[in-house]
Amino acid sequence: ETGVTQTPRHLVMGMTNKKSLKCEQHLGHNAMYWYKQSAKKPLELMFVYSLEERVENNSVPSRFSPECPNSSHLFLHLHTLQPEDSALYLCASSQGELGSSNYNEQFFGPGTRLTVL
Amino acid sequence: GQNIDQPTEMTATEGAIVQINCTYQTSGFNGLFWYQQHAGEAPTFLSYNVLDGLEEKGRFSSFLSRSKGYSYLLLKELQMKDSASYLCAVGDSNYQLIWGAGTKLIIKP
Repeated sequence: ETGVTQTPRHLVMGMTNKKSLKCEQHLGHNAMYWYKQSAKKPLELMFVYSLEERVENNSVPSRFSPECPNSSHLFLHLHTLQPEDSALYLCASSQGELGSSNYNEQFFGPGTRLTVL
Repeated sequence: GQNIDQPTEMTATEGAIVQINCTYQTSGFNGLFWYQQHAGEAPTFLSYNVLDGLEEKGRFSSFLSRSKGYSYLLLKELQMKDSASYLCAVGDSNYQLIWGAGTKLIIKP
């Protein structure tokens, strides 16, 4: 596989469930991102990992918990979500962070469409 | 606060030219990006401007004026496959990308 992959592509969960989203990048990049995309709203940056260390949190609710075990994999653990958390969750990767000399554009995965009942 | 403004929706005719504008107010500036996103798909990179002026890449061009906090994406010889949302994003002083809500471009035959 090439590029950035995400699983599952669709997820329906209840407010009491625990689930995890997975992202994998095959580009050799060292920065990975989680974004939330709601209809007709700007992309919201949730988390940034650079060289497997979290560098940005953006005051995301604690019911979202990221995990980056290595530079190729990124997880978003979900628990006790609310209906307003229903959205498209996009993962992206880049070589370097924005502002670093080796930064290049972000490559996005296809997203996980999450519905919270 | 930080803000990126772009039109919600635009309509154009196949073969024509369309200009999508983006204005921004951010704490600092570290480049402006344009991405294309087809319905149900991932955003894909189109262009990056960090200096004033026009960057041309095939049918697509992007312009930046930092003093005016303004950019546009110009699409020429429109094709039906150009129907998509176009996202403007600006790198702020913390080197984070601030995103606009996107412009949905509808191409009619």
